[in-house]
Amino acid sequence: DIQMTQSPSSLSASVGDRVTITCRASQGIRNDLGWYQQKPGKAPKRLIYAASSLQSGVPSRFSGSGSGTEFTLTISSLQPEDFATYYCLQHNSYPRTFGQGTKLEIK
Amino acid sequence: EVQLLESGGGLVQPGGSLRLSCAASGFTFSSYAMSWVRQAPGKGLEWVSAISGSGGSTYYADSVKGRFTISRDNSKNTLYLQMNSLKTEDTAVYYCTRLVLQQLVDWGQGTLVTVSS
Repeated sequence: DIQMTQSPSSLSASVGDRVTITCRASQGIRNDLGWYQQKPGKAPKRLIYAASSLQSGVPSRFSGSGSGTEFTLTISSLQPEDFATYYCLQHNSYPRTFGQGTKLEIK
Repeated sequence: EVQLLESGGGLVQPGGSLRLSCAASGFTFSSYAMSWVRQAPGKGLEWVSAISGSGGSTYYADSVKGRFTISRDNSKNTLYLQMNSLKTEDTAVYYCTRLVLQQLVDWGQGTLVTVSS
């Protein structure tokens, strides 16, 4: 099974900050990775697909990069509505695996 | 508009069974693979199971293999998850998801399963 190691597990930042979250795969997964945002009590929402493609309707301050085993999600200028928990998910092979999540909190 | 509506959650004792349903609308159900994802209280997301559009291929997480069965009825636009031999660690919100090109795109709002004596 492919393990996804996500870091950091939590992050404290301010509005306007640039933040980066990382996911590492235990083996190469090409660009078969998505990033999801989840707010409390809500279902997750996909932000990025194919590692770097922005989901329609998602603000351009979100971006993704990487291929193979290392991937990043960057938020260029944090907005109040971005404080949430973020997950990566590999869809290269079954079983699918999520990263452990990164809780982004207001400093 | 894609809509996924889960039902069937509730309180069940350890060792018991429960069947979740997910009613789908807004797309051609039989053309899409579907999946279940769960989230234990205060914890992260865990992929549980997936099924192809025809129902001919199924996949499971090791944690549920042999206990859970995913199925679908394309004539009723409904996805199912039969859960047997339930354990306290199966307590979670269960989400139904639609896959597009192997990726989880659309999510339902979830149904809570509580396994407790």
